[in-house]
Amino acid sequence: EAQVTQNPRYLITVTGKKLTVTCSQNMNHEYMSWYRQDPGLGLRQIYYSMNVEVTDKGDVPEGYKVSRKEKRNFPLILESPSPNQTSLYFCASSLNILGEGELFFGEGSRLTVL
Amino acid sequence: GENVEQHPSTLSVQEGDSAVIKCTYSDSASNYFPWYKQELGKRPQLIIDIRSNVGEKKDQRIAVTLNKTAKHFSLHITETQPEDSAVYFCAVAGGSYIPTFGRGTSLIVHP
Repeated sequence: EAQVTQNPRYLITVTGKKLTVTCSQNMNHEYMSWYRQDPGLGLRQIYYSMNVEVTDKGDVPEGYKVSRKEKRNFPLILESPSPNQTSLYFCASSLNILGEGELFFGEGSRLTVL
Repeated sequence: GENVEQHPSTLSVQEGDSAVIKCTYSDSASNYFPWYKQELGKRPQLIIDIRSNVGEKKDQRIAVTLNKTAKHFSLHITETQPEDSAVYFCAVAGGSYIPTFGRGTSLIVHP
């Protein structure tokens, strides 16, 4: 089954404790991205990647890192989480290298930083 | 980056009525305009999209219209049903910027 898989789905952590949210897709998509969703603010892009070893900042990259060592995986890293990073995070992928096609979303990861 | 404005933020209708959600964008080079539906607790999913070489596209009860000159596009839902209740996001891609989403419209359909 074609899908985007994120883990963990739910996480409660404390300020400053490094964490990684994994994202994997099995559709051989070139384009992958991370969004955060906050009430009233919609979906805001954190980072995106058009290919292996090619990543770039989105609209809200501060406090986040990503890597794209393999085509299928695009982990989101929070080196030192802070409470303002409490949010619902979605990974998404697209066949179109510029993201100009359907985005397939993972189920979301709800993160709480205390 | 690209500036996408979506209105209204909340829309309440009676079952059977029509619903219209509008989005405007700023980059005239944008060429792909999808709409996503997000049910409560679920992930966003594509429901319809349109490219800049087309003015209108329909799929059963939903349709999207695009006015490239005015830089706006709209989602139309006819004969609304309670299961249409969800948050709807417009998005814009192509041109100079990465895909950008509007802030979403919460549609409530009252039985």
